[in-house]
Amino acid sequence: DTEVTQTPKHLVMGMTNKKSLKCEQHMGHRAMYWYKQKAKKPPELMFVYSYEKLSINESVPSRFSPECPNSSLLNLHLHALQPEDSALYLCASSQDRYTRLAGKNTQYFGPGTRLTVL
Amino acid sequence: AQKVTQAQTEISVVEKEDVTLDCVYETRDTTYYLFWYKQPPSGELVFLIRRNSFDEQNEISGRYSWNFQKSTSSFNFTITASQVVDSAVYFCALNAGNKLVFGAGTILRVKS
Repeated sequence: DTEVTQTPKHLVMGMTNKKSLKCEQHMGHRAMYWYKQKAKKPPELMFVYSYEKLSINESVPSRFSPECPNSSLLNLHLHALQPEDSALYLCASSQDRYTRLAGKNTQYFGPGTRLTVL
Repeated sequence: AQKVTQAQTEISVVEKEDVTLDCVYETRDTTYYLFWYKQPPSGELVFLIRRNSFDEQNEISGRYSWNFQKSTSSFNFTITASQVVDSAVYFCALNAGNKLVFGAGTILRVKS
């Protein structure tokens, strides 16, 4: 089973709202990722969690706040977003067992959350 | 630095035609992994294949086949007898560490 689930599927929010995106996997993976994808572009990495600790932050603005409550869950808290933050937000997970050959780990993606900021 | 180039922005074919999607990569690492993902209009990135830098065997899975040539740094993807359901954006990606580097993607449109 290679399923990663994300909720909600669609989200519309105002610039003053606070909302959260949720991601869940039950594959026993120990690495989880947030990506942002604008239309007609490839996904851009935002954050990586490895063994529930933040290991990579790609200089993402502080209005995006990730959280990894446990090894199966990944949240992305949103606050004071801008219209240009409207995009598809994708979550992914991978095994992350092979620290020396980490590139071997296949990332499995969820269906994404389409976010619109008004 | 790692880089993936998918020079074909968009390809249109008629159903049952064969189509090849090109992928050229750059890396200085000797150990790396190459991937292909499919992204249908629904948005989910679907994993298709992973290939490591030491395995140059071509692979066939049903109507899909992949040709990995280290000498030309290419990892091309061929769909035989294309179907309308193959219409999607296809991404080639490279991973030599903890980060996936994606190409720009190729939009494939299969018309009936």
